Amino acid sequence: GQNIDQPTEMTATEGAIVQINCTYQTSGFNGLFWYQQHAGEAPTFLSYNVLDGLEEKGRFSSFLSRSKGYSYLLLKELQMKDSASYLCAVRVLFSGGYNKLIFGAGTRLAVHP
Amino acid sequence: GAGVSQSPSNKVTEKGKDVELRCDPISGHTALYWYRQRLGQGLEFLIYFQGNSAPDKSGLPSDRFSAERTGESVSTLTIQRTQQEDSAVYLCASSLAGTSGRVGEQYFGPGTRLTVT
Repeated sequence: GQNIDQPTEMTATEGAIVQINCTYQTSGFNGLFWYQQHAGEAPTFLSYNVLDGLEEKGRFSSFLSRSKGYSYLLLKELQMKDSASYLCAVRVLFSGGYNKLIFGAGTRLAVHP
Repeated sequence: GAGVSQSPSNKVTEKGKDVELRCDPISGHTALYWYRQRLGQGLEFLIYFQGNSAPDKSGLPSDRFSAERTGESVSTLTIQRTQQEDSAVYLCASSLAGTSGRVGEQYFGPGTRLTVT
């Protein structure tokens, strides 16, 4: 089966650094995405990893280890607007030649002053 | 260009009624996905379209749910005889058809919030 785990909730302080972990067990791995979703809004793309290592993009970085089935999203210099849900999604390639994203339940991050 | 649009943005219906939700994908995106998101939960895959065909309907929860897509564009998700458990946000996403890199990145619409009373 396909399974993705991430913490349900996290809290952090404005200006700090927070790391959101994601572990997965899937077949046909073809990349990992992180999406940000503010309350009542649609998910928006944050980052993409397909090879092992760290991808840095401004205040956000994402890491992938395929052998460990593990990724994390690192948010630096936290701002109040970073309060949102963060969704880990694994892209799985099926034998029919199409992709499907399998989503974790999301991590709700609350940033406090 | 325009992003993914969905209508209506909110729908309140009585139990037992049928509802139809609409999705307009980004022009040129041949792949289209429907998801359901219950309050405080993650995204639950419902169905995937490639062009006008649906190679993966595995997420449709029951035969009360159906979807179609015409002209490799607009898609409608129909829920018949709605139940209170169907209350959720229904999200549509579209992408290019590639299977590597960010080509398959999904762009989401704002969703339709369905409330069954």
